[in-house]
Amino acid sequence: DAGVIQSPRHEVTEMGQEVTLRCKPISGHDYLFWYRQTMMRGLELLIYFNNNVPIDDSGMPEDRFSAKMPNASFSTLKIQPSEPRDSAVYFCASRVGAGELFFGEGSRLTVL
Amino acid sequence: QKEVEQNSGPLSVPEGAIASLNCTYSDRGSQSFFWYRQYSGKSPELIMSIYSNGDKEDGRFTAQLNKASQYVSLLIRDSQPSDSATYLCAVNIGYNTDKLIFGTGTRLQVFP
Repeated sequence: DAGVIQSPRHEVTEMGQEVTLRCKPISGHDYLFWYRQTMMRGLELLIYFNNNVPIDDSGMPEDRFSAKMPNASFSTLKIQPSEPRDSAVYFCASRVGAGELFFGEGSRLTVL
Repeated sequence: QKEVEQNSGPLSVPEGAIASLNCTYSDRGSQSFFWYRQYSGKSPELIMSIYSNGDKEDGRFTAQLNKASQYVSLLIRDSQPSDSATYLCAVNIGYNTDKLIFGTGTRLQVFP
């Protein structure tokens, strides 16, 4: 299996622009997590899905952030409008049940 | 109080020594505990999981769990320079939940 696939790997954008991050989980995995990592705050859980249904989105910073999982093989995290404080590495991760969590390589976002 | 707390380090140990990494968590109902390793610029990868009080050994790594004290630790024996990385403690917060929360990580430096 190719593992968890994220795109883009790097994104540089200007404040106010819309950003869409994409994730393809490992086939057969029923959980998908979105995390954000910064030096100051570490790895923060934003939202997670089980069988494509959002279970807990209490970590989503504000209404500018939204996430969807239209099917078992695809999820998006959207930021609109983006702000400089959104600059971080965004990780997508998936797992089967309570098993090991596999991470993608991350999407490094820079908002100028 | 943060849900999962770790000392940020850096923890510096000489090659061949034992490195001891500690983590505390806030929710007494938590049942599943994990240690991840993250090299600079890379995504986290699972080292060990532990679910029951006591010790669990895997090669040079030993995870220790004390639910009464809400404390989990990772010992690395015969530390090698290649062990230099950030070690992340992760906890399924609450009883019978899937919400996986990470600590901010402890940076370990093993010097020759």
